[in-house]
Order: sequence, then structure tokens, then C-alpha cells
Amino acid sequence: QSVLTQPPSVSAAPGQKVTISCSGSSSNIGNNYVSWYQQLPGTAPKLLIYDNNKRPSGIPDRFSGSKSGTSATLGITGLQTGDEADYYCGTWDSSLSESWVFGGGTKLTVL
Amino acid sequence: QVQLQESGPGLVKPSQTLSLTCTVSGGSISSGGYYWSWIRQHPGKGLEWIGYIYYSGSTYYNPSLKSRVTISVDTSKNQFSLKLSSVTAADTAVYYCAREDRGIAVAGVRGWFDPWGQGTLVTVSS
Repeated sequence: QSVLTQPPSVSAAPGQKVTISCSGSSSNIGNNYVSWYQQLPGTAPKLLIYDNNKRPSGIPDRFSGSKSGTSATLGITGLQTGDEADYYCGTWDSSLSESWVFGGGTKLTVL
Repeated sequence: QVQLQESGPGLVKPSQTLSLTCTVSGGSISSGGYYWSWIRQHPGKGLEWIGYIYYSGSTYYNPSLKSRVTISVDTSKNQFSLKLSSVTAADTAVYYCAREDRGIAVAGVRGWFDPWGQGTLVTVSS
């Protein structure tokens, strides 16, 4: 059971837009910054978004992040078959058991 | 650019100690400014952060694993290592090392993991 809640799967057609939600609480998303990671099949996770909404160099602007209250959202526009991957949100949890926490992951299928 | 590479045994017997090393290239651990983390992923599951170390040797571990985890650093070799004791089948996972970057924030914790090593599968079995 992950501290952050993500939908297990989302799907959309090529060229369409999709959003992936990440729900937490005041001890994590509500008071800390969120990052997002893309894990292509058989590979290591790769940083996609940091500081809630910033993209590292090399990440196309088709990828965007936002945060509101205790939830965060990853948006992907102009979907490509190469975007098929697992996506994870992560943040610091400031509860009694302080640690980095991640969502359970969302599998994106581009139909 | 900075690259990380995990190494270590792929098979560990139950009750023994899992030992992995992460070699950093393209940058120096001693330069500071970053934390160096271990993260694992159980087969078909999500990510679990294990702990981090700073170049000075200061560490912080996930409370759920703290009693069994030791992370150390060897700046002369530009490596940091993970030891997980008393392993069981539940410790079978892909283990990743990653650089943890932190930003200054007025409030809250700003941090992210980039880059990651390619990961190494460790199976706990007799």
C-alpha cells in the first residue's frame, strides 16, 4: 500500500492528451514538492518533472506537472507510442516516519 | 554527465547480508551538494526509498528498514554502498542507486532523484 495514490492505469489514443493524478496528504504533497518519473519497460526510472512543475533539460514540453493542495497531476499531450511506460510521483513525507515516498505507479497505454 | 552503476551479487541466501556498491562516474561524490540514495523496486511493484548518504558520511534511512540498513561512502573510489542484513524473500527486488538533488525552499522539502543507475536484480533464495 503506497503512501501516495495513483490510478493503476490510464489509456488514450496517439495524439491525445492524458492526465495522471497523485493523491496524498498534508504531511507529504500538501507541504512538500513533487517530482515525477517515467519508467520505460525494462529500464530505470527517469526524472520527468521536479519542483511540482519544472522540466529537466531534454524533457519535451508535452510533459507538464501541477500541484493543488494535497494532489498533484502529470499531463502529457500529443501522446506517442513511445510514451507507453509506468509513471511514478514522489515527494517527502514529513510525518512521524519521515522518508521519501512514491506512488504505486500508473501504467500508460497508448492505444 | 554523471552516471551511476550498481554492482554486487545477484543471489543472496536468506538470513544473510545483501551488499551492493554504486560507482559514480562523471562527477565527484566529494564535491558535495547532493545526497546519494538507494531505492528498490519489488517485482511488478512500485518504488521504495531505502536511505541516503552525504559525502561527509551522514546518513538517513527509511524508518521501515532502519534496523537492517547500513549505507557507507568511499570517496577515494567515488562509490557508496548498501548493506541490508537478515534478508528474506521479501527483499527480492531490483535495487537502484540514484543521486538526490535538493533545492532551497522557504517551506517544505524540495528534492528529486536524477540520475539513476540501471538497477540490479537481487534475489533472496536458498
